Amino acid sequence: DAGVTQSPTHLIKTRGQQVTLRCSPISGHKSVSWYQQVLGQGPQFIFQYYEKEERGRGNFPDRFSARQFPNYSSELNVNALLLGDSALYLCASSDVQGNSNQPQHFGDGTRLSIL
Amino acid sequence: KNQVEQSPQSLIILEGKNCTLQCNYTVSPFSNLRWYKQDTGRGPVSLTIMTFSENTKSNGRYTATLDADTKQSSLHITASQLSDSASYICVVSAYTSRGGNEKLTFGTGTRLTIIP
Repeated sequence: DAGVTQSPTHLIKTRGQQVTLRCSPISGHKSVSWYQQVLGQGPQFIFQYYEKEERGRGNFPDRFSARQFPNYSSELNVNALLLGDSALYLCASSDVQGNSNQPQHFGDGTRLSIL
Repeated sequence: KNQVEQSPQSLIILEGKNCTLQCNYTVSPFSNLRWYKQDTGRGPVSLTIMTFSENTKSNGRYTATLDADTKQSSLHITASQLSDSASYICVVSAYTSRGGNEKLTFGTGTRLTIIP
């Protein structure tokens, strides 16, 4: 079975632009979470979606938004890009909402660079 | 504030040697603790998950321990191999039954380099 897939793998944008990142979870997984990982740091939680509803939000500005589709894939949108948004954006999926003691499965991320 | 602190920040050891990575956390309410391995340019891969009642769990040459009283965990790597070179991230899960939300707090990781 395919793992979590993310697209694109790399992306270069300029300040002020908007970007959309995409994630396809493992087949059968209904929960998708998004993380931002700045170089040298651990991932920071952005959003969690379960059954197409937002179930959690991290401490990120309103420029960040996301949604989950009926097939459980997800998009992360970032508006008015800043230099500080340069990071690896990770998507993780699991088959339950939470407290399952099951691991989240991560994709390899989208490397976003802001010029 | 929920926090996860890892030490050391980086570690270099010879191939074949053992090493131990540390994780201290202040996360409440505690649900489970996870260790992930992250190769450069890749997403994290789960190594172990331990709940409150578990104090040790192994995955091949990786053995994790958990002391829920002192809120400490360690990851021991035995007979290291070159492929063990990666970042190792400690992640603690907090779960609130109200709303059914799970929140993961990530450490900043330990960068392990194995040299031949």
